Amino acid sequence: EPEVTQTPSHQVTQMGQEVILRCVPISNHLYFYWYRQILGQKVEFLVSFYNNEISEKSEIFDDQFSVERPDGSNFTLKIRSTKLEDSAMYFCASRKAESTDTQYFGPGTRLTVL
Amino acid sequence: QQQVKQSPQSLIVQKGGIPIINCAYENTAFDYFPWYQQFPGKGPALLIAIRPDVSEKKEGRFTISFNKSAKQFSLHIMDSQPGDSATYFCAASMGFGNEKLTFGTGTRLTIIP
Repeated sequence: EPEVTQTPSHQVTQMGQEVILRCVPISNHLYFYWYRQILGQKVEFLVSFYNNEISEKSEIFDDQFSVERPDGSNFTLKIRSTKLEDSAMYFCASRKAESTDTQYFGPGTRLTVL
Repeated sequence: QQQVKQSPQSLIVQKGGIPIINCAYENTAFDYFPWYQQFPGKGPALLIAIRPDVSEKKEGRFTISFNKSAKQFSLHIMDSQPGDSATYFCAASMGFGNEKLTFGTGTRLTIIP
């Protein structure tokens, strides 16, 4: 069964550094999402992406964040200057256009900002 | 208005019992209500989902009950097993073109043998 994959599984960085989190969505999916989950809290929407542009973003997704689909398979989340409060699990999700609204989540990247 | 409220925060049930997790929402524009199961260190996995045009949906041992007038929905797990021990999130989203999921706060379910 096709899966969403994410790399790395764990990223440790110093405050102020840039990080890029990578996702490979399911191959025939067209809608892509990033969510984050601070330890012990609920999953929060960050951004949705379709047709090579952002379709919606939350108030969390400020100018420090950006997303990109650099080729036909990868979907990346960049955090330009990480802050301590960016420490969280980051989940990528994808959805097939003509399906119901099922979003399939990857296993996540745990980001630790020191 | 965008929130989805979930209860209880944690739940311990004997094997074979029927845990019930409840969610409530305010925004009547929500029209899709999935439940996700999350094991430690893993991403959320879709368990079952419902739309407001039906009051109940069953898939295997999992049942969603939906009360549109009360703006509430719940997950029931029949014949619960220790392997069902996980965190369960309800969620909601609006129509096509606005599919971001708004999650509840999660319920940590423990099934004891």
